[in-house]
Amino acid sequence: GENVEQHPSTLSVQEGDSAVIKCTYSDSASNYFPWYKQELGKRPQLIIDIRSNVGEKKDQRIAVTLNKTAKHFSLHITETQPEDSAVYFCAASVRDISNFGNEKLTFGTGTRLTIIP
Amino acid sequence: NAGVTQTPKFRVLKTGQSMTLLCAQDMNHEYMYWYRQDPGMGLRLIHYSVGEGTTAKGEVPDGYNVSRLKKQNFLLGLESAAPSQTSVYFCASLPSLAGGRETQYFGPGTRLLVL
Repeated sequence: GENVEQHPSTLSVQEGDSAVIKCTYSDSASNYFPWYKQELGKRPQLIIDIRSNVGEKKDQRIAVTLNKTAKHFSLHITETQPEDSAVYFCAASVRDISNFGNEKLTFGTGTRLTIIP
Repeated sequence: NAGVTQTPKFRVLKTGQSMTLLCAQDMNHEYMYWYRQDPGMGLRLIHYSVGEGTTAKGEVPDGYNVSRLKKQNFLLGLESAAPSQTSVYFCASLPSLAGGRETQYFGPGTRLLVL
């Protein structure tokens, strides 16, 4: 089955600096890579996702890059703010439109991001 | 539109007791999932359902059973709770439209402590 590794497990950055979280996956068939943000005591919420037909996607201060050859993808947060402090999870799955419901997300172990004011 | 809800929010069980966790969604989503979240281990899939009346095993199904008698509800049962089942349980649902923009929506979680 799929195996997703995520690094680092903890990350502290000064407010205004950039943060980068990296994930690798093992199943070359994986084609859908979402990133979730989980604040303390809250549910995971999708912040950005990427599909294997693109190499990079941006949404304001957040960007995700994908290298299918190397089987790794990364989350980039620029101009970090205190509200960015949370645990971030990457995930991977094989998204088959003809068999949509059998999508099974495999999650990384999470990165606790702390923004230092 | 409440989205995905979970009942209860918190529960303490003694070893050997049984309980059922309820996940309900009012978005008419076809697919539903149960995950457990443990420190340092991310979220792991327990069971999932691709439609009313169907269930399938995920990554860590042992010790759990599920049922999807109604499309809007997905129940997770623990027949004989063990301390290793102490965890935070999240339910998620996914719409059926294969338009490429869908993603799993998570419930607020149930914190379970087994003594």
